[in-house]
Parts: sequence; structure tokens; C-alpha cells
Amino acid sequence: RKEVEQDPGPFNVPEGATVAFNCTYSNSASQSFFWYRQDCRKEPKLLMSVYSSGNEDGRFTAQLNRASQYISLLIRDSKLSDSATYLCVVPGRDNYGQNFVFGPGTRLSVLP
Amino acid sequence: SQTIHQWPATLVQPVGSPLSLECTVEGTSNPNLYWYRQAAGRGLQLLFYSVGIGQISSEVPQNLSASRPQDRQFILSSKKLLLSDSGFYLCAWSVPGINEKLFFGSGTQLSVL
Repeated sequence: RKEVEQDPGPFNVPEGATVAFNCTYSNSASQSFFWYRQDCRKEPKLLMSVYSSGNEDGRFTAQLNRASQYISLLIRDSKLSDSATYLCVVPGRDNYGQNFVFGPGTRLSVLP
Repeated sequence: SQTIHQWPATLVQPVGSPLSLECTVEGTSNPNLYWYRQAAGRGLQLLFYSVGIGQISSEVPQNLSASRPQDRQFILSSKKLLLSDSGFYLCAWSVPGINEKLFFGSGTQLSVL
């Protein structure tokens, strides 16, 4: 099993739709998790941090299931500007940055 | 507030030529610094990280090297580029400690021809 796996996508959804991505990880010792957003040919930008069971920020909700070792990202009322690649990031041992493992990303296209 | 500067934004270099990419961080002291590479359509691969001046750890064998001559400066270099060095290079910083978060520079798109 790979360290971090994500829904391969791409996800093509209409404006206003609700869409969810899943990410699974293999390191059961990981304590904190992150979702980054990356636009084409741009740097990844931190979208959400997940330290406990979940986190909500406006239209975005991240949920963590430690027992099953997966994290999900839910986007409600999709906007055209949500089109991007979403990266799941899982720390390795000790939760230090040098041990972060990035998933391959899930691409989202929100269509008019 | 903290900012990170990375340059150049794009670079086209012939095979066998040298490389120097520079990254500086402002607004913080003693950051951890990182170099990542992202091949087209692929995930991020950690190349180097540094926890202090002159302290460099390499994650993968390659013909690249990194240096940290000052606290907030991180340089990625190569003496002779290979075709396989093409990719999107990203510098990042974090505040050391538990539950670190990475913040990225704007990246350098390198094409080796």
C-alpha cells in the first residue's frame, strides 16, 4: 500500500454541486493532516489543517477517520474558482515537515 | 508577516549547463527550509531540507546539491543538468516543531533541452 493515495479524478462537476475527495494513508502514527490546493503551474497553498476528527471552513469540510485511516474533503456549492488540484498531505514520524508525504492529487474541474 | 521569494519563475537551460536557484524567506528566524520537485502530472518529491545554516539533508540521490549560506537563504545547484532534471521546483519553509505546516514559494519551471 502506498503511503498516501487519493481519488485519481478528474472530477468534472457543475457549478453549485457538492463534491468529495478521499485520501487514504498508511502511517497510523500520523497526528495532523493537511489539504493543499494547487492551481496549474502554481505553488500549493494550504487549504485546511485537520488535527482531530474534522474541520470546517465555509464551504469546505475536512473529516478524519483514524480507524480507517482516511481523510476526506467536502466542497459544497462549488464555484468555478474551485477548479484546481487538491493535495492530501500526511506527516510521517514525529509530524515534522521533512517527513511530510504528499499524495498525487485529485483534479477538480467545476463547469459553468 | 512571513514571505518567501523564489526566482527565477521560468528557466530554459541546455543539457550539461550549471544551475542555481535561489530562495529567501523574510519575517521569520531559524525556519526549516525545503526544496521539492514536481514532474509534470506527478506529486511532490522532497529533494533537500535544512534545519539550520550549513545543515543539509538529502532525500534522494541525484546530481543536484543544496546550500544554506545564511539563515533565511536556500540555494539549489547543479554542475551539469540532465534532461531528467526538468520539472517544477518549489522552495518551502516551516516553523520548526510539532504539527509543522509548509508554505511554498511561487516555484521555478525548469526546462532542460
